[in-house]
Amino acid sequence: DAGVIQSPRHEVTEMGQEVTLRCKPISGHNSLFWYRQTMMRGLELLIYFNNNVPIDDSGMPEDRFSAKMPNASFSTLKIQPSEPRDSAVYFCASSLMNQPQHFGDGTRLSIL
Amino acid sequence: QQPVQSPQAVILREGEDAVINCSSSKALYSVHWYRQKHGEAPVFLMILLKGGEQKGHEKISASFNEKKQQSSLYLTASQLSYSGTYFCGTEGFGNEKLTFGTGTRLTIIP
Repeated sequence: DAGVIQSPRHEVTEMGQEVTLRCKPISGHNSLFWYRQTMMRGLELLIYFNNNVPIDDSGMPEDRFSAKMPNASFSTLKIQPSEPRDSAVYFCASSLMNQPQHFGDGTRLSIL
Repeated sequence: QQPVQSPQAVILREGEDAVINCSSSKALYSVHWYRQKHGEAPVFLMILLKGGEQKGHEKISASFNEKKQQSSLYLTASQLSYSGTYFCGTEGFGNEKLTFGTGTRLTIIP
């Protein structure tokens, strides 16, 4: 079975540009999570969805960050405008309710 | 609140044992353990749901002390492939979200 698929794997862009990260969860999973990982702050949960509905977005750092899940097989995390401090690895994970999370390979984002 | 892991880092020779601890300041419903190799995604190892529960996965096992709000991960006769950063994730009661600890970097040398 295909795992969680994220795209792009790497993104390098200039400060101020819009960045869109994409995630396809494992088919049948009804929970989806967006994480950010940095050396300083570790693995932080940004937002998670149950059945396509955002449940907790308290980890979203600022209004510059937004996430959507228009259907059960697709989610996006958008940063507009991007800043150098947004540079990190962004992971998407999916799971069945209250079951272990399966992580995608991540998007390594660099904002210059 | 983020669980606290100890030690932050440990270096072992192949064949030695290691214990990684995870402590929380709140009552726990479950504890999850993940391993992340450099440049890769975290991979699920095991979940503990009940106080006193112990689980094993090859030579990696874990325990959950509900009263102390702690979990420990045990790596026995470590192999080179065990190298990586180990994260615990804790869930409180009431459908609280999973919160990951700061991680323990384990390095196994020949």
